[in-house]
Amino acid sequence: SAVISQKPSRDICQRGTSLTIQCQVDSQVTMMFWYRQQPGQSLTLIATANQGSEATYESGFVIDKFPISRPNLTFSTLTVSNMSPEDSSIYLCSAGGAGRGKLFFGSGTQLSVL
Amino acid sequence: AQTVTQSQPEMSVQEAETVTLSCTYDTSENNYYLFWYKQPPSRQMILVIRQEAYKQQNATENRFSVNFQKAAKSFSLKISDSQLGDTAMYFCAFMTLQGGGQNFVFGPGTRLSVLP
Repeated sequence: SAVISQKPSRDICQRGTSLTIQCQVDSQVTMMFWYRQQPGQSLTLIATANQGSEATYESGFVIDKFPISRPNLTFSTLTVSNMSPEDSSIYLCSAGGAGRGKLFFGSGTQLSVL
Repeated sequence: AQTVTQSQPEMSVQEAETVTLSCTYDTSENNYYLFWYKQPPSRQMILVIRQEAYKQQNATENRFSVNFQKAAKSFSLKISDSQLGDTAMYFCAFMTLQGGGQNFVFGPGTRLSVLP
């Protein structure tokens, strides 16, 4: 299994500001993913973070709002930009690989935007 | 489109009893993986059990077992000897390997309460 450290665990932010969430995996992984979980809802994939290339975004999510970095095979960041109260959610980092056939998760970031 | 359905938004069970959570999915793929994840109030998503579609034998992990019916596209989770620590949201998930990548789809979740 992979151990994933995600921080911050929670934050309260003001409207219009940005927050960067960090995700560190204890081993090299091919694929890292960022999910959003709105209150009482299931997980929605924001994007796949690719090492050495731009992230691949799902429908409804854009790079200007959710820029992602993936500088190496163990680390990724997600920035939530120009935040509004509608961005209040749990953001989850995950990692896996086609050969693993599994998906492991960080402990999530609880974001509240005032 | 690939979808996962969990028809039970909420369930409860008495401690030490057995409970079964339902999950159905829809896909045209033949090779895929199925999962149950547990999310307690701590927010951590924990992998409970995993099933490979090409395996007919149902997966088991201690008190957790699945009933995998491939033809019916059904993947239910049975929790035996329920414990208070099993209280959580349970998500059924489905994964295909498309184009060398991974495509995960999560169900809407079932909130399970284990009562003392």
